[in-house]
Amino acid sequence: GNSVTQMEGPVTLSEEAFLTINCTYTATGYPSLFWYVQYPGEGLQLLLKATKADDKGSNKGFEATYRKETTSFHLEKGSVQVSDSAVYFCALGTGANSKLTFGKGITLSVRP
Amino acid sequence: DTGVSQDPRHKITKRGQNVTFRCDPISEHNRLYWYRQTLGQGPEFLTYFQNEAQLEKSRLLSDRFSAERPKGSFSTLEIQRTEQGDSAMYLCASNSGSGETQYFGPGTRLLVL
Repeated sequence: GNSVTQMEGPVTLSEEAFLTINCTYTATGYPSLFWYVQYPGEGLQLLLKATKADDKGSNKGFEATYRKETTSFHLEKGSVQVSDSAVYFCALGTGANSKLTFGKGITLSVRP
Repeated sequence: DTGVSQDPRHKITKRGQNVTFRCDPISEHNRLYWYRQTLGQGPEFLTYFQNEAQLEKSRLLSDRFSAERPKGSFSTLEIQRTEQGDSAMYLCASNSGSGETQYFGPGTRLLVL
């Protein structure tokens, strides 16, 4: 079956530090890949997505590249801000129903 | 467009009671999904509708759970004879078709005492 594995957290960084959050997946077929973010007290929001191999999703300074050869979709940001503190979920969607399979999520805290 | 809404936002109930949650999707979206999220975990798929038809149910959805979308608009999720293990955040999402982005509601947090 489908699965998503995220690196263990939590992660604490200083403002302006470089961020990498690892995500690998196992899937049948050709999944679409997503990063969702959950800010404190808010619902899940789509951060970025990629629908085929070698696609790069980007939004708000975050980037992730769909790597089929390594089955990975790592999230990166060159300079994090305190406002990026949130829980980040990697997810994949496959099939006609497009149901999502999520990783466990990782909590990012950015200190001033 | 007001986004996906869910009601109630919080529910506390005693074990054995029945509860019902409502989800109103984005108006033009014909697909609606229910997920469950427990503490420290990512959301897990429960079921999904295309218009009024329930097309898939997860094995997580025991016989005590039932979901409906009678007119292809809002949906309800009912849990009968609640158990403490049902305590979780119940999330609803909607989209306009296969491969399209799912937009999530704020969730209903259920606590079963």
